[in-house]
Amino acid sequence: EPEVTQTPSHQVTQMGQEVILRCVPISNHLYFYWYRQILGQKVEFLVSFYNNEISEKSEIFDDQFSVERPDGSNFTLKIRSTKLEDSAMYFCASSAQDLRNQPQHFGDGTRLSIL
Amino acid sequence: AQTVTQSQPEMSVQEAETVTLSCTYDTSESDYYLFWYKQPPSRQMILVIRQEAYKQQNATENRFSVNFQKAAKSFSLKISDSQLGDAAMYFCAYRSGSNTGKLIFGQGTTLQVKP
Repeated sequence: EPEVTQTPSHQVTQMGQEVILRCVPISNHLYFYWYRQILGQKVEFLVSFYNNEISEKSEIFDDQFSVERPDGSNFTLKIRSTKLEDSAMYFCASSAQDLRNQPQHFGDGTRLSIL
Repeated sequence: AQTVTQSQPEMSVQEAETVTLSCTYDTSESDYYLFWYKQPPSRQMILVIRQEAYKQQNATENRFSVNFQKAAKSFSLKISDSQLGDAAMYFCAYRSGSNTGKLIFGQGTTLQVKP
């Protein structure tokens, strides 16, 4: 069964540095999402992406964050000037064209640790 | 804004027994979808079951079923004949019927299955 894959599984970064989290969605999916889960807390929506543009973003997704689909297969989340509170598990998800009937498929996540 | 509440941080069940996980939500929308996701220790979130709000019939997937009470805004998950592999964090999630597709998650319930 096709899967969403995320790399790396664990990223350790110094505070203030930039980090790029990578995701390869399921190949025929058109909608892409990033979520984060701070340790011990609920999963929170960050951003949704369709047709090469952001379709919705949360209050968390400020100017520090950006997303890109650079080559038609990868979907990346960039975090500039990382802060300690950015430490979390970041999940990528994708869904097929018909949102009403298709669930989101999640990757294994990237654990981001900011030192 | 929509909210999802899971009031049981932890639950335990004896193997082969039945357990019910609670979820309530708040929304002013009439068109929406509800989901239960399972997150085993391996971290990937897996869709367990989904329910369309316009359907009165409760969804069922093998040993998993829901009790969807639209007026009460309640969406509980029943796991029958619990197995050791059911041990995981379970998240209830809401998705609007609009095209944004974002999921709003509850806090999660950790299910322990005792042999």
